[in-house]
Amino acid sequence: SYELTQPPSVSVSPGQTARITCSGDALPKQYGYWYQQKPGQAPVLLIYKDNERPSGIPERFSGSRSGTVVTLIITGVQAEDEADYHCQSADSSSSVFGGGTKLTVL
Amino acid sequence: QLQLQESGPGLVKPSQILSLTCSVSGGSISSGSYYWSWIRQPAGKGLEWIGRIFLTGSTNYNPSLKSRVTISIATSKNQFSLKLTSLTAADTAVYYCARGIRLGGFDPWGQGTLVTVSP
Repeated sequence: SYELTQPPSVSVSPGQTARITCSGDALPKQYGYWYQQKPGQAPVLLIYKDNERPSGIPERFSGSRSGTVVTLIITGVQAEDEADYHCQSADSSSSVFGGGTKLTVL
Repeated sequence: QLQLQESGPGLVKPSQILSLTCSVSGGSISSGSYYWSWIRQPAGKGLEWIGRIFLTGSTNYNPSLKSRVTISIATSKNQFSLKLTSLTAADTAVYYCARGIRLGGFDPWGQGTLVTVSP
């Protein structure tokens, strides 16, 4: 199996840009996915295939990849974006999640 | 709009078997190139993938849980299920069911059900 590593926490002021990284040796061969989870709620798919956005997800959420790192980018952070963010990837026989990152909006 | 709903006991005793069912509504569990997964989350911790099942009945499990997990599917009922044996307190978590895309992500998710393992 393989692992995905995220920072436990990221803090940003409203209107600024937040970047949350997810690193893993298998990422060059697999897509990265991102989920937003607010307290007491189920995760919601935010980004798929590294940088695609499902319908209904605001444009301020985007994704990028560089080698073994995929990054979730939130442009113009709003107070409602305070949540936990989880990365995930999959191979032909399994899926793995990162440990999650708590985004605090100062 | 596809919706998933978990059901099962909220409290289970150590060493016993946990059985959960995920009911799919708003669409057929048999349509499309999807698979059906279980994922869990202990309080205050990250998500852990448990396993998945395809319409063919083929399954894949997290290696750390493989010896204790069975996932099955009942297409006539539009449901799939999880069985987890030899429970310990470490299995206490919110359990989610979700639809997965091959080599891809999970969407949508059920609301989750809290399972507590305690005497």
